[in-house]
This record gives sequence, C-alpha cells and structure tokens, in this order.
Amino acid sequence: QSALTQPASVSGSPGQSITISCTGTSSDVGGYNYVSWYQQHPGKAPKLMIYDVSNRPSGVSNRFSGSKSGNTASLTISGLQAEDEADYYCSSYTSSSSYVVFGGGTKLTVL
Amino acid sequence: EVQLVQSGAEVKKPGESLKISCKGSGYSFTSYWIGWVRQMPGKGLEWMGIIYPGDSDTRYSPSFQGQVTISADKSISTAYLQWSSLKASDTAMYYCARHTTTIFGGGPPDYWGQGTLVTVSS
Repeated sequence: QSALTQPASVSGSPGQSITISCTGTSSDVGGYNYVSWYQQHPGKAPKLMIYDVSNRPSGVSNRFSGSKSGNTASLTISGLQAEDEADYYCSSYTSSSSYVVFGGGTKLTVL
Repeated sequence: EVQLVQSGAEVKKPGESLKISCKGSGYSFTSYWIGWVRQMPGKGLEWMGIIYPGDSDTRYSPSFQGQVTISADKSISTAYLQWSSLKASDTAMYYCARHTTTIFGGGPPDYWGQGTLVTVSS
C-alpha cells in the first residue's frame, strides 16, 4: 500500500481537461510544499512535470498545472492530447522516516 | 545539461552479489542528494533511499533498510546501489535520481537516470 493515494485510472477525450488527485497526510502533502508530479510512458524513465506543488520545469507544457488544498495535491492537464496518455505519479517529502514517498500511480487514457 | 547515466542490465542468480552504478554530470555532484527508486514489473515507484555525496550522509526507507547499501564516490561523480545476496523478488527496474533540495535535506526527485534492469533467476 502506497503512502500517497491516487486514483488507479482516469480518462478524457482530446481537448478536455482532467485532474488527478494525490491524498496524503499532514506529515507529507499537507505539511510541506514539496510535492512533485511525474509522467512515465511505457518502457521509459519518469519525467518531472511539476515540482514544489505548482512549479513547471523548463520545457514542460503549460497545459500541466499543479495545486494543493489541505492534504490533497492535484495535477490538472488541460487540452488533452494523445501524447499525454501515460502513467502519472505524485511524490512528497515526508517527516516520517521515509523522507520521500510516492503515490501508487494513475493511468491516464486519452479516449 | 544534467545527466544521470546508469550501468547496463544484469542477470544474476539468487544468492549472488551485485553493485550497479549511476554517473552524474552537468551539475555539482557533491551538492545534491542522489538516490534510488525501484519499479517492479508492472508496478509503481518505490523510494529506496538517498545519499549526500558531499559528506556521505545516507538515509534509507524502512522497507529497504538492511536489504541494500547505497554509496557514492564523489571523485568520479558516481552513486552505487548494492546487494550482498540477491533474491528473486529483487527483480525490477532500478532508477537513480537526483533529488531536489529542501530545508530538511533531500526532497522528491527531479532528474532521473535511464534505469537498470536487474533480473534474478535460477
């Protein structure tokens, strides 16, 4: 069982927007602004899409945005494109002995 | 450009030892935490632990403490993950990753290596 809870799957049609949630506790997501999101295509290494809750690395499309409310962080992808179909993982700093925790991952299907 | 280049795929037998590597370039290797993430076949990402090459401070996930050893050689900007006695359940893809800096130490990863596939089978 992962420390952070994500939906197993989400789907959307091209052009639509979707949101993936990532729920933790006050010891991780809710307590610190150190939440990151990753995109992983099959057979590839994860790629950083969002860091520190809502910051985009250089080169990442502005269709990707992040936010946080309480113990839940969210990744929103607007204007869905076929190339967005991938697995998405959240991660957070945690004050527990683990230091870093991941969510279980969400499979995004573009219909 | 930050790059992390990992050693190649390995096929080992149960009980054998193994050390895989990750060479960093394009940044100050001693100024960032670097660590390892496991991904078992068809499964999600699991954080294993990190090391700060500047002073070799090392921290492990409780799930991996005592099961693996993380080390680094700052003279050649390389981090390592090693096992003393592999099990079939160690079969997985292992990613090294540079970690972001927080006021507490290491935070979530930012840059990732390409992965090293470790297969343990008799």
